[in-house]
Amino acid sequence: TQLLEQSPQFLSIQEGENLTVYCNSSSVFSSLQWYRQEPGEGPVLLVTVVTGGEVKKLKRLTFQFGDARKDSSLHITAAQPGDTGLYLCAGAYADNYGQNFVFGPGTRLSVLP
Amino acid sequence: KAGVTQTPRYLIKTRGQQVTLSCSPISGHRSVSWYQQTPGQGLQFLFEYFSETQRNKGNFPGRFSGRQFSNSRSEMNVSTLELGDSALYLCASSFAITLGLAYEQYFGPGTRLTVT
Repeated sequence: TQLLEQSPQFLSIQEGENLTVYCNSSSVFSSLQWYRQEPGEGPVLLVTVVTGGEVKKLKRLTFQFGDARKDSSLHITAAQPGDTGLYLCAGAYADNYGQNFVFGPGTRLSVLP
Repeated sequence: KAGVTQTPRYLIKTRGQQVTLSCSPISGHRSVSWYQQTPGQGLQFLFEYFSETQRNKGNFPGRFSGRQFSNSRSEMNVSTLELGDSALYLCASSFAITLGLAYEQYFGPGTRLTVT
């Protein structure tokens, strides 16, 4: 059974601070996605990482996929109140029926002005 | 390109009733997955449909069912509603792809179901 853990579970920081969120598993994934979700809305896809060791940057957000494709991190530089939300990682893997996703429990980020 | 749409956005039902939720995927996407999200359990996979066939199913009771139409639109039904079924129900669509390739899911805004 594929499982994903995320840490920290909650994070409250001041505007301008940096932070890192972690997504870990003992399973190997073919790709990993990061989503941000705001209250009452669906998750919005931020990035997909596919290759072990891959680093992707999206403005102030930096995503890294572990070399073994079992873990990932999301680093935010100079956080802003607009970054507030629930950050979810999702690992994709294949079985006899096709591609499947497993989601982590999420990291709830609050950026205070 | 229009995103994933879900209707209705909000719904209030009474215990014992049944409910049908609708999802229209992104044009060209053939796979539709449904998830239940609650504060305590997080995002849990219900089922996935591809080309009108249920391809995968999560660990939910038989009261939860779904279907997909030839235009890829999907519905999910919950019969004999229980208080614990109160949740945000999310639909996600994706392209159908060959095994082994990465693909991405795009979520709709969700349907907030409250059971009283």
